[in-house]
Amino acid sequence: QKEVEQNSGPLSVPEGAIASLNCTYSDRVSQSFFWYRQYSGKSPELIMSIYSNGDKEDGRFTAQLNKASQYVSLLIRDSQPSDSATYLCAVTSGGFKTIFGAGTRLFVKA
Amino acid sequence: GAVVSQHPSWVICKSGTSVKIECRSLDFQATTMFWYRQFPKQSLMLMATSNEGSKATYEQGVEKDKFLINHASLTLSTLTVTSAHPEDSSFYICSARHPAGGGETQYFGPGTRLLVL
Repeated sequence: QKEVEQNSGPLSVPEGAIASLNCTYSDRVSQSFFWYRQYSGKSPELIMSIYSNGDKEDGRFTAQLNKASQYVSLLIRDSQPSDSATYLCAVTSGGFKTIFGAGTRLFVKA
Repeated sequence: GAVVSQHPSWVICKSGTSVKIECRSLDFQATTMFWYRQFPKQSLMLMATSNEGSKATYEQGVEKDKFLINHASLTLSTLTVTSAHPEDSSFYICSARHPAGGGETQYFGPGTRLLVL
């Protein structure tokens, strides 16, 4: 079982819709959770971090964490073609070991 | 925000030569930096963890004698690909762990594209 799992996609949504990206993790003692965006040919860029259960909003992005179910999600409201990228989920457990998921490709159709 | 730079952004070299890549945290001190490699359309692969003032920790399967890492200061880590071969051609990305907020957030450099002919 992979430690951090994401659907590889591609996830295709129309412009203006909500894109929902999901991530599950296996280590119950995980403490910190991150979403990165990676455009093709570029390095990852930090979008959101979340540490406690619930929702965290930043502009059009909302991260959701449910530690009991061991999943973290990222919602992108009013999706734009410029949001088309690969989204990486990252989970940090004790000892500061950060595990990255393989990423979900998002395609926003104009 | 936290800024991490890498130099060079791309390099082309002949097989058998060595290539050094620098990773710098510009506006914060990073005791820990990471080196990743990414092949086209594949996910990030962690190569090693670089700790300031001590030896790097390499992931399984990564040859430490081929990929030399030096983290001599709190803002600079270097990766040297020794005797590079065409199969080493890849996108090398470093990240630095920011000390704020528990010190678990990684910020990535822009990456270095290496092409070995």
